[in-house]
Amino acid sequence: QITLKESGPTLVKPTQTLTLTCTFSGFSLSTTGMGVGWIRQSPGKALEWLTIIYYDDDKRYRSSLRSRLTITKDTSKNQVVLTMTNMDPVDTATYYCAHSIYSRVFDYWGQGTLITVSS
Amino acid sequence: DIQMTQSPSSMSASVGDRVTITCRASQGVKTWLAWYQQKPGKAPNLLIYGASSLQSGVPSRFSGSGSGTDFTLTISSLQPEDFATYYCQQTDSFPPTFGQGTKVEVQ
Repeated sequence: QITLKESGPTLVKPTQTLTLTCTFSGFSLSTTGMGVGWIRQSPGKALEWLTIIYYDDDKRYRSSLRSRLTITKDTSKNQVVLTMTNMDPVDTATYYCAHSIYSRVFDYWGQGTLITVSS
Repeated sequence: DIQMTQSPSSMSASVGDRVTITCRASQGVKTWLAWYQQKPGKAPNLLIYGASSLQSGVPSRFSGSGSGTDFTLTISSLQPEDFATYYCQQTDSFPPTFGQGTKVEVQ
């Protein structure tokens, strides 16, 4: 059974860097086809895809945020890390990590973590 | 980026109703379309992928159809646990994009 869970700070100050960790179980990111992505949702708003990393270390980013985002994986720890620099209050949102296989469909999601950007 | 537009944005319905939600893509995505259900305070839950394939464990009252630019999610007989917000997502190309959501509320 696949599970994912996000962890990290709940409050960051403007201009700071956010680091979120997605710890997962039930699959290996070294298995062909596997991927883990990050999606966020501002309060009361729609879902916004941010980035994804695949088993072969292929990485894709939302172009409008490309300069601020980095995604990495640690296969031995079953973790994926998202860093987002220069945080702004408009980045306040619930951040989800999610599993994907061979596609851009997200079939398993973490519970999400609310990140508030405020001084 | 491919823009996804859902209609309606919200709707009121009763238990037992047949509910239809539409999703339109700004350019053709073949059948690379997924539907998710989200309840307040919870993560989205995958219902449909490939426009019409039911995700394992999802009740058969949910169905999807369409191809190209126009897609439909149908709930054949609305149940109390189906009151939620529904999102479509194109999975054809990067970046994956979502519709703005359709909230199904109690009438």
